[in-house]
Amino acid sequence: NAGVTQTPKFRILKIGQSMTLQCTQDMNHNYMYWYRQDPGMGLKLIYYSVGAGITDKGEVPNGYNVSRSTTEDFPLRLELAAPSQTSVYFCASSYVTEALNTEAFFGQGTRLTVV
Amino acid sequence: GQQVMQIPQYQHVQEGEDFTTYCNSSTTLSNIQWYKQRPGGHPVFLIQLVKSGEVKKQKRLTFQFGEAKKNSSLHITATQTTDVGTYFCAGLHRNDYKLSFGAGTTVTVRA
Repeated sequence: NAGVTQTPKFRILKIGQSMTLQCTQDMNHNYMYWYRQDPGMGLKLIYYSVGAGITDKGEVPNGYNVSRSTTEDFPLRLELAAPSQTSVYFCASSYVTEALNTEAFFGQGTRLTVV
Repeated sequence: GQQVMQIPQYQHVQEGEDFTTYCNSSTTLSNIQWYKQRPGGHPVFLIQLVKSGEVKKQKRLTFQFGEAKKNSSLHITATQTTDVGTYFCAGLHRNDYKLSFGAGTTVTVRA
């Protein structure tokens, strides 16, 4: 039971570099989320997806891009990394319909430092 | 926009004491979920409340959902060192089912 898998676990980027954070889930969940968590702070929603081919902005989307070409995968792209993007990034997934929604399962997180 | 506010941000508790954390939404929620995050870990689901006025218990933890489905609380009795961590509420909004987290209450316990 893999659940939600995020890679990498740690990464150091230089200012201006770009990278993709990978997230995959094997639970056939329709909803997927990307959150960032700054030290001592809560979880802020970056982007979310309600199904393959559909994505939407959360609270803090600037500087990020996402795609959802399959149900399983929801990569987060950082273009032109900035120090303000230093954070821990969590991917999560859940199954949501009008009649039902399950708990959100989280990946282990990616600790990103931009220097 | 839709916001979920949570207070207090920090709770320092003597072992054996009780405490409560509160969650308020600016809009009516479809349901509310509670999560616990241990230091260095990821959020882990505790419980979901769906019905107006619902109360659920898990051992020493009592969860309530307000009548208007805009607020919720988590009450922990006889706090233990194993309760250390950050407790988040997360509201599922009716119009888009987007899961919005509160800022969390970080709990430390004095033995």
